[in-house]
Amino acid sequence: DQQVKQNSPSLSVQEGRISILNCDYTNSMFDYFLWYKKYPAEGPTFLISISSIKDKNEDGRFTVFLNKSAKHLSLHIVPSQPGDSAVYFCAASSLYNFNKFYFGSGTKLNVKP
Amino acid sequence: DVKVTQSSRYLVKRTGEKVFLECVQDMDHENMFWYRQDPGLGLRLIYFSYDVKMKEKGDIPEGYSVSREKKERFSLILESASTNQTSMYLCASSDGQEGYTFGSGTRLTVV
Repeated sequence: DQQVKQNSPSLSVQEGRISILNCDYTNSMFDYFLWYKKYPAEGPTFLISISSIKDKNEDGRFTVFLNKSAKHLSLHIVPSQPGDSAVYFCAASSLYNFNKFYFGSGTKLNVKP
Repeated sequence: DVKVTQSSRYLVKRTGEKVFLECVQDMDHENMFWYRQDPGLGLRLIYFSYDVKMKEKGDIPEGYSVSREKKERFSLILESASTNQTSMYLCASSDGQEGYTFGSGTRLTVV
């Protein structure tokens, strides 16, 4: 059973608008979360992280929100750009097993010009 | 710039062949991982290693084995390739601090 779930396989957004990608997890021991971005024929690259001591982390156009009680995190991209079109994976781990991350199935974002 | 290098970007192999996928990292990381990526299934962990000559099964180890004779190199072996092993294979390494660094991936097709 997947411990990290991304229930939207795809998302289409107009350039300049906000993209919101969602991720849910089931293991309450998870306390560190990452988002990765993946272009076709390339490996995933690290985008942004958040630990459970925070509920928000920003890096430029990218913001990750964590709702621990709901076991939910989201990635906001504002404003969205065509170059953001990629597959986005969320990943989670716990400090007790910090070396092992569990990945969601990914959301394919398409930003239309 | 730190790197994880996978020796092949594309491979085509025949059913029953023994296949070696090689991965090398230059970051002196202790931990290395092999994942496969399939549409709708995301990244699934095949095997990982926390140290030289050490290996642990991931979530889908069946049909695969691994070798880690040197710290920088982690090899994935398909003992007898089958068509259901057609996939994108991703190698990653980490120092346990902040996530993984991934290689560019190997697209394997088994015919």
